[in-house]
Amino acid sequence: DIQMTQSPSTLSASVGDRVTITCRASQSINSWLAWYQQKPGKAPNLLIYKASSLESGVPSRFSGSGSGTEFTLTISSLQPDDFATYYCQQFNTYPYSFGQGTKLEIK
Amino acid sequence: EVQLVESGGGLVQPGRSLRLSCEASGFTFDEYAMHWVRQAPGKGLECVSSISWNSGGIGYADSVKGRFTISRDNAKNSLYLQMNSLRVEDTALYYCAKDLGSGGYGADVWGQGTKVTVSS
Repeated sequence: DIQMTQSPSTLSASVGDRVTITCRASQSINSWLAWYQQKPGKAPNLLIYKASSLESGVPSRFSGSGSGTEFTLTISSLQPDDFATYYCQQFNTYPYSFGQGTKLEIK
Repeated sequence: EVQLVESGGGLVQPGRSLRLSCEASGFTFDEYAMHWVRQAPGKGLECVSSISWNSGGIGYADSVKGRFTISRDNAKNSLYLQMNSLRVEDTALYYCAKDLGSGGYGADVWGQGTKVTVSS
């Protein structure tokens, strides 16, 4: 199975900061990667699919890049609503595994 | 309105079985892949199982392979997860999720989840 590793596990940042979260796959997944945001007590919300395609309705401050084994999610200017946990998920090979999550906290 | 409603969760003893259901509405169910994703209390997300639009592609996490079976009935707009030989570590909130496409791209619609507790 493909292992997905996110870094960092926790990230402290301030409103207005530019932040980047990294996701690495144990083998090439081409561009078959999605990013989600999850807030406590809520289902995940899809942000990015196919590594860099922005899901409809998601603010343009979110962007994704990468291919092969290394991917990044960037938030260009953090807003108060962005403090949450973020997950990557690969869709190259069953089972469609998730990263362990990155918790974005207010500094 | 696009909607997914899970049911079938509950408290069950180790070794017993449970069948989860997910009823879909507001979209053409037979055009999309579907997923079951679980989240244990305080933990991350785990994709338990996925099924393509026509059931031609099916995958399972290693943790449930041989014990869980995913299926769908496109005529009834429904997704199922048959869970056998349940273990304490299967305790989690189980989400049904719709994919963006017929295979796997990303889960764009999620249900509210159904809670499964495995305990003696």
